Amino acid sequence: DIQMTQSPSTLSASVADKVTISCRANQSITSFLAWYQQKPGKAPKLLIYKASILQSGVPSRFSGSGFGTEFTLTISSLQPDDFATYFCQQYNLYPGTFGQGTKLEI
Amino acid sequence: QVQLVQSGAEVQKPGASVKVSCEASGYTFTGYYVHWVRQAPGQGLEWMGWIDPTSGDTKNARKFQGRVTMTRDTSITTAYMELTGLTSDDSGVYYCARAPYTSSSVYYDHWGQGTLLTVSS
Repeated sequence: DIQMTQSPSTLSASVADKVTISCRANQSITSFLAWYQQKPGKAPKLLIYKASILQSGVPSRFSGSGFGTEFTLTISSLQPDDFATYFCQQYNLYPGTFGQGTKLEI
Repeated sequence: QVQLVQSGAEVQKPGASVKVSCEASGYTFTGYYVHWVRQAPGQGLEWMGWIDPTSGDTKNARKFQGRVTMTRDTSITTAYMELTGLTSDDSGVYYCARAPYTSSSVYYDHWGQGTLLTVSS
């Protein structure tokens, strides 16, 4: 199975900050990468798929980039609602696998 | 709007089985695979398998071979996941999720609210 590694595991930031979360695959997944946001006690919410395509309804302050093995999720100006845990997921090869998560905290 | 509504929390003893339901609404149930993903306490997400609601075909992760059964009832637009031989390692939250296209490896655009399973003697 493809291993997905996120960094950092925890990220401290403030409202209005620009933050970047990294996700690395141990082999190329081309652009088949998704990002999810999860709040405590809630299901994950799809933010981005195919590395950079914003899911409908997701604010434009979220963006994704990358190809191959290195990917990033950027939040351009943190809002209070953005403090959550973020997961990446590769779906290039079966089975789809997830990163361990990055907790974004104040 | 698309909704996936799961059954409630479960407490089971080691060795028992659990069956979780996932009722779909707001879209054509037979048009999209339903996947199951679980999350152990404080851990990441782990794919378990999928079911094609049209045919009933399933594919499960190797880890769960022989222990998981996925079924569906198209008359009530509901998918089910049954896990047998429970151990404490099976404790966690179980999610159903809709895949936007038919593939074994895919992302998920809608999720159920999750079903908490606690395995304890």
